[in-house]
Amino acid sequence: KNEVEQSPQNLTAQEGEFITINCSYSVGISALHWLQQHPGGGIVSLFMLSSGKKKHGRLIATINIQEKHSSLHITASHPRDSAVYICAVLPFNYQLIWGAGTKLIIKP
Amino acid sequence: DGGITQSPKYLFRKEGQNVTLSCEQNLNHDAMYWYRQDPGQGLRLIYYSQIVNDFQKGDIAEGYSVSREKKESFPLTVTSAQKNPTAFYLCASSLGTRGQETQYFGPGTRLLVL
Repeated sequence: KNEVEQSPQNLTAQEGEFITINCSYSVGISALHWLQQHPGGGIVSLFMLSSGKKKHGRLIATINIQEKHSSLHITASHPRDSAVYICAVLPFNYQLIWGAGTKLIIKP
Repeated sequence: DGGITQSPKYLFRKEGQNVTLSCEQNLNHDAMYWYRQDPGQGLRLIYYSQIVNDFQKGDIAEGYSVSREKKESFPLTVTSAQKNPTAFYLCASSLGTRGQETQYFGPGTRLLVL
């Protein structure tokens, strides 16, 4: 079993829908990252969380440390949100463990 | 503009050949990383460097080598010992290596075997 599991693996939705991507992990962590990988391959960091909730524009990330679970939400989704969303967790040995990613397609 | 550059975008390797992937950053970051990405899998760490003239093996270092002679440069050599080199290679940098700093990624190099 992978230490970081993302669900769903693939998600297709219509423009305007509310999107939720989940990340579950099995190790103790000090922080969790959400990143976005564009179709061309470039990766950008979206959030780093150690507790609670963060919001940036239409993106919201939450984390529940006790339940070892994080979610990334996108409100009013748009075709330009189409990308792979990656979760990475930071155990206390400071070596990031990466999820396999969730491929999101938003149709106009 | 500050950022990370990788070259080339695509690279072809023949049997028995060593190839070198370039990674340069002008962010004045101390830490640099090389990752390999295969379809359907998470990123896997090949090597990382916390400071000039020092580097550490990651999870899949076999068949790869690196150098860190300058702060801004961290080239990766894929040697002939790497039997399955076809993958997407990503270079990243961060201020430190404690994992709580944002990692900034280059655009990647796609390596294909002829």
